Amino acid sequence: DPKIIQKPKYLVAVTGSEKILICEQYLGHNAMYWYRQSAKKPLEFMFSYSYQKLMDNQTASSRFQPQSSKKNHLDLQITALKPDDSATYFCASSQDYWGVAETLYFGSGTRLTVL
Amino acid sequence: AQKVTQTQTSISVMEKTTVTMDCVYETQDSSYFLFWYKQTASGEIVFLIRQDSYKKENATVGHYSLNFQKPKSSIGLIITATQIEDSAVYFCAMREYNTNTGKLTFGDGTVLTVKP
Repeated sequence: DPKIIQKPKYLVAVTGSEKILICEQYLGHNAMYWYRQSAKKPLEFMFSYSYQKLMDNQTASSRFQPQSSKKNHLDLQITALKPDDSATYFCASSQDYWGVAETLYFGSGTRLTVL
Repeated sequence: AQKVTQTQTSISVMEKTTVTMDCVYETQDSSYFLFWYKQTASGEIVFLIRQDSYKKENATVGHYSLNFQKPKSSIGLIITATQIEDSAVYFCAMREYNTNTGKLTFGDGTVLTVKP
């Protein structure tokens, strides 16, 4: 059974709309992350959270807003969608944010297409 | 700034042979962690193996092993007795220890094709 669940698997949106990507992890991890993979770039770090606190944000746009309602949830809200936002968005988690055991484990991704 | 480079875009090997994938990295940090991940055709990203910079011994997990050459800033992935199901994209990644970020920096990936 998958331990990091991302919903939906595929998402099609129109330019200017808003979408929320869901991520839940059942590994008992304390840190969660969002990464993006587009056709033009390698896997790209977006956000990191530890105990529901934002630790790092490396997205250039405020249109991307992570939301953590529970320790094992980290959703990603994207507003005013643009065609360039088309990518696969991966959620990941690790046992702790800092320390020696920070291997990241990834969910299966949400493929977003913006028309 | 940290950077990870995989120069091999694609590799094709025959089943049951050994393959080595190259990766070089750049970092100003004295401590760092290096990882290899595999992305399958379905898009799933799977953790394979890691090397901590302070460890001299090369990591080994199953039929994956690493060739860590710290003076050359190089971390090669070796897969022995390759199988058809090893066909995938392999990513090298690095995380710096002393910077206050959870960021993993990935290389562009190497496509491995294992032929019967």
